[in-house]
Order: sequence, then structure tokens, then C-alpha cells
Amino acid sequence: GQQLNQSPQSMFIQEGEDVSMNCTSSSIFNTWLWYKQDPGEGPVLLIALYKAGELTSNGRLTAQFGITRKDSFLNISASIPSDVGIYFCAGRTQGGSEKLVFGKGTKLTVNP
Amino acid sequence: DSGVTQTPKHLITATGQRVTLRCSPRSGDLSVYWYQQSLDQGLQFLIQYYNGEERAKGNILERFSAQQFPDLHSELNLSSLELGDSALYFCASTDRGGFGNTIYFGEGSWLTVV
Repeated sequence: GQQLNQSPQSMFIQEGEDVSMNCTSSSIFNTWLWYKQDPGEGPVLLIALYKAGELTSNGRLTAQFGITRKDSFLNISASIPSDVGIYFCAGRTQGGSEKLVFGKGTKLTVNP
Repeated sequence: DSGVTQTPKHLITATGQRVTLRCSPRSGDLSVYWYQQSLDQGLQFLIQYYNGEERAKGNILERFSAQQFPDLHSELNLSSLELGDSALYFCASTDRGGFGNTIYFGEGSWLTVV
């Protein structure tokens, strides 16, 4: 089945540092979504990308839809302690299927 | 608050038993998705319903079934439960519209099988 490779698996950073994580796929996607999940909670949508090359920001977060349609990255600038959590990328492929395929997540730890 | 409501929030049951998880989608959303998240695992797609009909199927076991009712709420039935079924089960719903619609998740139902 379709697979998303998300990296890194985990990150330990100091408060104030910038963070970058990415997802790649062997399949072409027509939608990329980035979610954050806090412990015991459901994933919360951060950014949605719908077009190749699209660059979208949400506060300190910026995400891009890769030109090849097979990758996306998420950057977090000037990290703060509340950025701690697991970040998931998700993609939807072209064609009839509406299901989202998720990456395995990047666990972010921010040291004050 | 995503607007997607799931009940129960926590559930502990014994092996071999059957449970039902309930989901109310966001107001106006016609599509409901079910996902399973095990410890240290990503989100595994189980099944999707659109306006009462099954639309897509993922890695859903034969012991599991789901349905979407006329009022658009959905139920996920898990039977003959095994220890490995312990997981967080999420329901999600989508915006109206087709291409490019996003998905909003509920807070999940924690299932522990003992």
C-alpha cells in the first residue's frame, strides 16, 4: 500500500531554535496535510496544502507542497515549549480514493 | 474543539468481548473516517463512510465493522476483542466538497483490552 516516510522520527531542541521535518512518498499526492497531536488528544490540523509548489504559513509554522507532488516539509520557527508534541504529515493520492495516508510522526521535545 | 464528538472517551473490556464506539461528525459533514492508533504507531486508516454508504476501506479486520446512520453519526463495532486491539480509535469528518477537502479529528476513544 501507499507509504509515507516521515523524518526525523524524533527531535530534541532548545527553545528558540527552528525546526524542520519532512515527508516523502513514492506516490503522487494531490493534498498534503500537517497535524499536531498532544498526548491523549486527537490530531489537530495545522496546515493544508492543495497545489504543487504551494507555500503556506500559519503563525510560526510554514509548510510547502513539493513540486514533484511526492514530498512536503514543515518548518517551525523560534520554537516554544508548547510546540512539544507529535507532528504528522498526511497525504491524499490522486484518483478515486479519499482516504488519507499518514506518516509515522515526528516527536518534538523542546527544552526551555 | 474540532466539532467531532466521540464516545466513550475511555473503555476497558475483556478479551472476547464486543464494544461499540460512537462518533458524531462536524455539523454538515457527510464523510466519516475511522482510524486506529496503536502505541508508537501512526494512524492506520480503517474505513470511510459518505452519506451512509461505505466509500473506502483500509486495514480493517473482519472482526470490526462500521456503519453510518441517516443522521450521519457513525458507529465502529469491535468484536471478539484481542489484547492487540488495545489502541486509540479516532473518528474524523471532512468538509463538504470533493477535491482538496481537509479532515478534522475527534479526541479519540481509548480502548484497553485486558
